[in-house]
Amino acid sequence: GQQVMQIPQYQHVQEGEDFTTYCNSSTTLSNIQWYKQRPGGHPVFLIQLVKSGEVKKQKRLTFQFGEAKKNSSLHITATQTTDVGTYFCASGNEKLTFGTGTRLTIIP
Amino acid sequence: GAVVSQHPSWVICKSGTSVKIECRSLDFQATTMFWYRQFPKQSLMLMATSNEGSKATYEQGVEKDKFLINHASLTLSTLTVTSAHPEDSSFYICSAVGQGEGNEQFFGPGTRLTVL
Repeated sequence: GQQVMQIPQYQHVQEGEDFTTYCNSSTTLSNIQWYKQRPGGHPVFLIQLVKSGEVKKQKRLTFQFGEAKKNSSLHITATQTTDVGTYFCASGNEKLTFGTGTRLTIIP
Repeated sequence: GAVVSQHPSWVICKSGTSVKIECRSLDFQATTMFWYRQFPKQSLMLMATSNEGSKATYEQGVEKDKFLINHASLTLSTLTVTSAHPEDSSFYICSAVGQGEGNEQFFGPGTRLTVL
């Protein structure tokens, strides 16, 4: 079945530093979704990318979908303590396959 | 809009008992809901797809007789963990596909099950 890997598994950054998580698949993805899960919480939808090479921004977050539609990235500029959580990529038309997640912790 | 609730939010039970978890879409109808399981510090693993009015579709390796799913209406799906054992302790999360553009899933707050 489809597998989606994410790196890094963990990332500790100083508040104000940038953060990037990468999502990779061995197969072409129809779409890529990104979710954020706060500690003890549930996943919350952030965005969906569909087109090859697509780039979308949400304030300090920048999402990219690779040209080959096999990889994606989420970049956070100038992290804040509210960015703490685990970021998951996911893909699928109805059933979602979730990536392994990147746990972000912020050092104040 | 697009709120999904789960009940209970946490449950502790003795080994061998059965536990029912409810998932409700509060302000929209969901013909399809999904049940996930998440172990500590791990990703979400899809257990099954719950279809209103028909049998659920289980992922490989998930025992359908142990995890009973009933999607009785367009706003309610239930997951019953039968004869629960300590290894079933986990965070169970349901989701439903929203009715807006795209296919974003709206997740319930999750149910933390602890089996003693």
